[in-house]
Amino acid sequence: GEDVEQSLFLSVREGDSSVINCTYTDSSSTYLYWYKQEPGAGLQLLTYIFSNMDMKQDQRLTVLLNKKDKHLSLRIADTQTGDSAIYFCAENNQGGKLIFGQGTELSVKP
Amino acid sequence: KAGVTQTPRYLIKTRGQQVTLSCSPISGHRSVSWYQQTPGQGLQFLFEYFSETQRNKGNFPGRFSGRQFSNSRSEMNVSTLELGDSALYLCATSGGTNYNEQFFGPGTRLTVL
Repeated sequence: GEDVEQSLFLSVREGDSSVINCTYTDSSSTYLYWYKQEPGAGLQLLTYIFSNMDMKQDQRLTVLLNKKDKHLSLRIADTQTGDSAIYFCAENNQGGKLIFGQGTELSVKP
Repeated sequence: KAGVTQTPRYLIKTRGQQVTLSCSPISGHRSVSWYQQTPGQGLQFLFEYFSETQRNKGNFPGRFSGRQFSNSRSEMNVSTLELGDSALYLCATSGGTNYNEQFFGPGTRLTVL
């Protein structure tokens, strides 16, 4: 079946690194995504990784994929207060259909 | 390049009414997907349209329907509204050079009283 799990909350201090974790069940997932949602807004695509990769880096963001364990993580370096938001991971194996996790609320304290 | 636009941004309806929401994709995007977001169920896929055809469908009752026009704009309709339909409805579009990137609109906040 299709299921994506995330921890619900993460609190870090400004300047620290944040690591948000996600597990998924569908081994046929082709792409895995990270989205950010700020209060009252839609979802902003942060980054995504193809299933045959194990790492992708984009400025302060690093995505790690462990396909054997079906584990995805997003590392945000030098976390800022503006990074406070809800972060969703999602998997895709059927065109436009994304399966989302519950979201991780990241709180960044000054 | 303009982003995904959704209208209206906010709607208040009463039980039993119907509602139509609109989504205009990024220029060149031909795929439009709809999602429902609620505190209890999170983000759930409703359906996807591509070239005016429904390509994929989630597990929602038949009261939820959609369509896509030749200019790729999409509408979704919910008939006989129930209190539980109160949610943020998001559309996402993809296409152009990279179909794997889905970009979301700001959503329509529907409240059913």
